[in-house]
Amino acid sequence: GNSVTQMEGPVTLSEEAFLTINCTYTATGYPSLFWYVQYPGEGLQLLLKATKADDKGSNKGFEATYRKETTSFHLEKGSVQVSDSAVYFCALTPYGQNFVFGPGTRLSVLP
Amino acid sequence: DTAVSQTPKYLVTQMGNDKSIKCEQNLGHDTMYWYKQDSKKFLKIMFSYNNKELIINETVPNRFSPKSPDKAHLNLHINSLELGDSAVYFCASSGAYQETQYFGPGTRLLVL
Repeated sequence: GNSVTQMEGPVTLSEEAFLTINCTYTATGYPSLFWYVQYPGEGLQLLLKATKADDKGSNKGFEATYRKETTSFHLEKGSVQVSDSAVYFCALTPYGQNFVFGPGTRLSVLP
Repeated sequence: DTAVSQTPKYLVTQMGNDKSIKCEQNLGHDTMYWYKQDSKKFLKIMFSYNNKELIINETVPNRFSPKSPDKAHLNLHINSLELGDSAVYFCASSGAYQETQYFGPGTRLLVL
């Protein structure tokens, strides 16, 4: 079946630290891959996406590269801020099927 | 302008009651969804509607019934509420099935 695995949180970092949140997936065909972010008390917002192998999605200093050979889509940011504290969801859309979301990774950034 | 809106934002009710949550999108999208998010932030899809036609029902109890009066609205009606229904319910929409989904702010339901 189709699934998304994310590193367990919570992840706690100091401001300006480097961030990596791992995401690996299992899917049939060639899905599109997404990262969504959920700030406290809000709905999910699209952070970035990639639609084919080797594509790099980027937004607000965050990046993720679609790696077909390792079935991964790890999220990275060079220098996190307190305002990045949120829950991050990796997701995919297998062909002909609905979105599959990972369990989410909570990030806390301390000043 | 709010792209996807939901009402109410908070809903506190007693077990056994019937309640509805409304959702509207002004993005001109063809597909709308309902998700349930539990206390551990796990997100589970409940329903998906494409042009007012139900295309997914992910083994949700039949106490939950989606209703779509038109392409811009997808309401969720819940009968005989149970304690386990307490969660945050999110509405979302997308331009087409499988495209980027845009989420509403959520409705926080607490069943006492």
